[in-house]
Amino acid sequence: AQSVTQLGSHVSVSEGALVLLRCNYSSSVPPYLFWYVQYPNQGLQLLLKYTSAATLVKGINGFEAEFKKSETSFHLTKPSAHMSDAAEYFCAVSDLLLGNTPLVFGKGTRLSVIA
Amino acid sequence: DAGVIQSPRHEVTEMGQEVTLRCKPISGHNSLFWYRQTMMRGLELLIYFNNNVPIDDSGMPEDRFSAKMPNASFSTLKIQPSEPRDSAVYFCASSLILGELFFGEGSRLTVL
Repeated sequence: AQSVTQLGSHVSVSEGALVLLRCNYSSSVPPYLFWYVQYPNQGLQLLLKYTSAATLVKGINGFEAEFKKSETSFHLTKPSAHMSDAAEYFCAVSDLLLGNTPLVFGKGTRLSVIA
Repeated sequence: DAGVIQSPRHEVTEMGQEVTLRCKPISGHNSLFWYRQTMMRGLELLIYFNNNVPIDDSGMPEDRFSAKMPNASFSTLKIQPSEPRDSAVYFCASSLILGELFFGEGSRLTVL
């Protein structure tokens, strides 16, 4: 069964500092991987997705993620944190080769940005 | 374009009462998902539909929960009878492209 593990339920960074949110996946077949963001009192929004094309994926709001098969990782990064980045971030995996299966989400990582 | 619309946004009810949550997906999307979010369990998939047909309801906690999608523009999630442990935020999401989900703002349910 496919799954994702997000390391760290809470990450705190200073404004302007590097953001690194970790995600490791488990899948028996090549996965499709996603990062979603949830702002307070809102639903989740898609940040970026990896679907076996380029291993470095760029998303919205300056975020990017790199797929590393050897490490089974899909970490999310942003060079310089902004106060508006404070939110909860979810990594998700889908095994689309098996057909129309829904996403499996990680537990989420809450990002705090300190002024 | 309007996004996924959920109602009610907030619902407070007493144990034993029936609760109906509603969802209008984005027009043209052919998949619809119901998720539940709690602090303890995170985001859980309850059920999903493809082309209005329920595909997998293995995430529905028990027989008290039921979901329907009578047409492409409307779905309901019903809890009868409700219990305090059902308190959570319930999200509806729709999708056209696999993996690209559009979420509603959620329905926050409190069962006293």
